Amino acid sequence: SQQGEEDPQALSIQEGENATMNCSYKTSINNLQWYRQNSGRGLVHLILIRSNEREKHSGRLRVTLDTSKKSSSLLITASRAADTASYFCATDRGGTYKYIFGTGTRLKVLA
Amino acid sequence: EAGVAQSPRYKIIEKRQSVAFWCNPISGHATLYWYQQILGQGPKLLIQFQNNGVVDDSQLPKDRFSAERLKGVDSTLKIQPAKLEDSAVYLCASSFTNLPGQNTGELFFGEGSRLTVL
Repeated sequence: SQQGEEDPQALSIQEGENATMNCSYKTSINNLQWYRQNSGRGLVHLILIRSNEREKHSGRLRVTLDTSKKSSSLLITASRAADTASYFCATDRGGTYKYIFGTGTRLKVLA
Repeated sequence: EAGVAQSPRYKIIEKRQSVAFWCNPISGHATLYWYQQILGQGPKLLIQFQNNGVVDDSQLPKDRFSAERLKGVDSTLKIQPAKLEDSAVYLCASSFTNLPGQNTGELFFGEGSRLTVL
């Protein structure tokens, strides 16, 4: 079963714009991660945020976590064509290291 | 540092045939995962190993899927007999899991094995 649901399912923006995608989950978590997947490739880890953190930054990425709403958002600033990919959130329930992935957001950045 | 290695990258078989996928995780990574990713969907966890023991296989269709992790290193995922709905990419991932609270949390994925069942 999918723990997380991302929205939107698909997003198309112009290069230079910001992209925001959201993840909602159902049960209490230990941490939440975001991954990127280029077409036909494996997933690449972007950022991890723990349940006691509210915001985290890494380069052009900003992640927020609201445990009261069971939701997270990933913001990519000043997007580039190379950011075109699918983005997934993954949650770890209660320290089991069992990571369940969401349904993904397909981002297309137009040059 | 070498990444997670998977083989074969592509496999085409007829339904009811068998297939096996191999994964070599990053050296020192105690936790190994197999995920199934159907086109257009997110990865679905099939099985999780900690060293050579199974932590979770609740989503593994055990009537046709089996997995083992010999000596806590390499792992093999087998499907026998295959069905049309098994067409997917099978992703292997590993993670450095030490003591509770010291897990880096990051999963390292291989490039995947794409299975087409005709």
